[in-house]
Amino acid sequence: GAGVSQSPSNKVTEKGKDVELRCDPISGHTALYWYRQSLGQGLEFLIYFQGNSAPDKSGLPSDRFSAERTGGSVSTLTIQRTQQEDSAVYLCASTQDRGLYSPLHFGNGTRLTVT
Amino acid sequence: SQELEQSPQSLIVQEGKNLTINCTSSKTLYGLYWYKQKYGEGLIFLMMLQKGGEEKSHEKITAKLDEKKQQSSLHITASQPSHAGIYLCGAGGAGNKLTFGGGTRVLVKP
Repeated sequence: GAGVSQSPSNKVTEKGKDVELRCDPISGHTALYWYRQSLGQGLEFLIYFQGNSAPDKSGLPSDRFSAERTGGSVSTLTIQRTQQEDSAVYLCASTQDRGLYSPLHFGNGTRLTVT
Repeated sequence: SQELEQSPQSLIVQEGKNLTINCTSSKTLYGLYWYKQKYGEGLIFLMMLQKGGEEKSHEKITAKLDEKKQQSSLHITASQPSHAGIYLCGAGGAGNKLTFGGGTRVLVKP
């Protein structure tokens, strides 16, 4: 079946512009995560959605970052007034979240370059 | 939050040789995941360990979780070029903020 889909795969933007990154999770997966991976770094948690519960936004680095998940499916991560330090690969993951041990399924990521 | 430390950070091995990657947690692990990432791609799920002393194998890759559930190792036997990539351990359960180690970059020399 279809996996987690992210678009665009690459995005180059000028400093100060806003960008939107999209994630289509696997159908039926109730939990959705956004992570950021900077060059040579591990994964940095950004935000977590679970069903209709309030999202866990504790990982968002600044108020320039926001995310929505419409209808419990597609999610959009928005970065306003982008800065060069926002350059990274943004990864989305989803899971069925059936219990304590539910592996995440990752998309291929969006590589964001801020010039 | 849980912190995971991986060692080594990078590894170069000759094709056919074995290699081991370690993942150490600051807290008890309740669910430890191993993922592999190739350049430009997302993370591919390899294995999940839950119980102390548990060991799982898939093809030439074996992962173990120690009895105290604070350390896991990933062992690759007779490495091949296809094993090259970044290996990451992750921990936490559903509904939690899964955290990941910094990754181990593996290069296999033919």
